[in-house]
Amino acid sequence: QSALTQPPSASGSLGQSVTISCTGTRSDVGGYNFVSWFQQNPGKAPKLLIFEVTKRPSGIPDRFSGSKSGNTASLTVSGLQAEDEADYYCSSYAGNNPYVVFGGGTKLTVL
Amino acid sequence: QVQIVQSGAEVKKPGASVKISCKASGYIFNNYALHWVRQAPGQGLEWMGWLFPGRDDTRYSQKFQGRVTITWGSRDTTANTIYMEVTSLTSEDTAVYYCARGTVPGGNMDSWGQGTLVTV
Repeated sequence: QSALTQPPSASGSLGQSVTISCTGTRSDVGGYNFVSWFQQNPGKAPKLLIFEVTKRPSGIPDRFSGSKSGNTASLTVSGLQAEDEADYYCSSYAGNNPYVVFGGGTKLTVL
Repeated sequence: QVQIVQSGAEVKKPGASVKISCKASGYIFNNYALHWVRQAPGQGLEWMGWLFPGRDDTRYSQKFQGRVTITWGSRDTTANTIYMEVTSLTSEDTAVYYCARGTVPGGNMDSWGQGTLVTV
């Protein structure tokens, strides 16, 4: 069982928006602004999309945005494109062992 | 550009140990941590530990403490290389093991190696 809870699946139509949630506790998501989001395509390494809750690394389109409220972080993908179909994982610093925790992942389907 | 290159696939028998390497280049090695993350077949990501060379700081997930050791290569031909050894392997350790550059404590794993498949 993963430390952070994500829905196993999400879907949206081309051009629409979809939001994926990531629920933790005040010991991880709620306690620190160190939430990251990753995209993973089959057989590939994860790719950083969002760090420190809302920041995007260079090269990540602004269609990807992050937010947090209390113990729940969210990733919103706007203007869905076919290539957004992938697995998405959240992670958070947890302050104490195990220091970094991941969500179980969400499979995004673009209809 | 930042590059993280890991050693090749391994096949091990139960009870054996495996040591995986991770060579980083394209940035100031001491300024970032290197994290180890694994992914069992069809499963999610699992953080195992980090080594921050600039702070001589190594941390492990409690789940792996005592069975995993992360070390830093010496300052010669293995410079900018870290290693992770996992001992007492079982079938549940069959996974792809990733090395990723990141910050501490934030995580922010922005560059990942290609992954190393370990089959037990």
